[in-house]
Amino acid sequence: KAGVTQTPRYLIKTRGQQVTLSCSPISGHRSVSWYQQTPGQGLQFLFEYFSETQRNKGNFPGRFSGRQFSNSRSEMNVSTLELGDSALYLCASSLSGGLYEQYFGPGTRLTVT
Amino acid sequence: LAKTTQPISMDSYEGQEVNITCSHNNIATNDYITWYQQFPSQGPRFIIQGYKTKVTNEVASLFIPADRKSSTLSLPRVSLSDTAVYYCLVVNTGKLIFGQGTTLQVKP
Repeated sequence: KAGVTQTPRYLIKTRGQQVTLSCSPISGHRSVSWYQQTPGQGLQFLFEYFSETQRNKGNFPGRFSGRQFSNSRSEMNVSTLELGDSALYLCASSLSGGLYEQYFGPGTRLTVT
Repeated sequence: LAKTTQPISMDSYEGQEVNITCSHNNIATNDYITWYQQFPSQGPRFIIQGYKTKVTNEVASLFIPADRKSSTLSLPRVSLSDTAVYYCLVVNTGKLIFGQGTTLQVKP
């Protein structure tokens, strides 16, 4: 069974631009979560989607948004990029969220210049 | 959400058993204790999850005392490839809250 895939793997953007990251969960998984990882703040939860609905949300500004499609694929969008948004963005999928094991993708490395 | 506290770093040698203890004083009744492992430039990988007493799988054991205010991840006979960051989390929803983790360095 294929694992979680994320595209693109690497991305360089300029301050003020916006970016969209994509995540394809493991087949059959309906929950997709997004995390931001930086050296200073560590791994931080962004949001979780289940059956196209946002079910949990972390403490990030409204510039960070996401959505989930009917096939469970998910996208994350960051508008008006700031230098501090440079990070590894990880997507994780699970059968139904909650206490189920989450499977993480390789991440998208975003660099904002 | 319960906050977890674990040592920032630990050193071990190949073949030894490693025990990483995590403190979670404010754990709630519905919370489970979950451990993840992360290698550099990779996403975390689930290791083990438990509610109370002892849980064992093919890679680790998890010991949880009756008061559930702490837990211990036990890795038997570690190898160099076990060098990684280990995160202890308290979970009851899909929202994983990661602490700073424990960096385990296994030496030859």
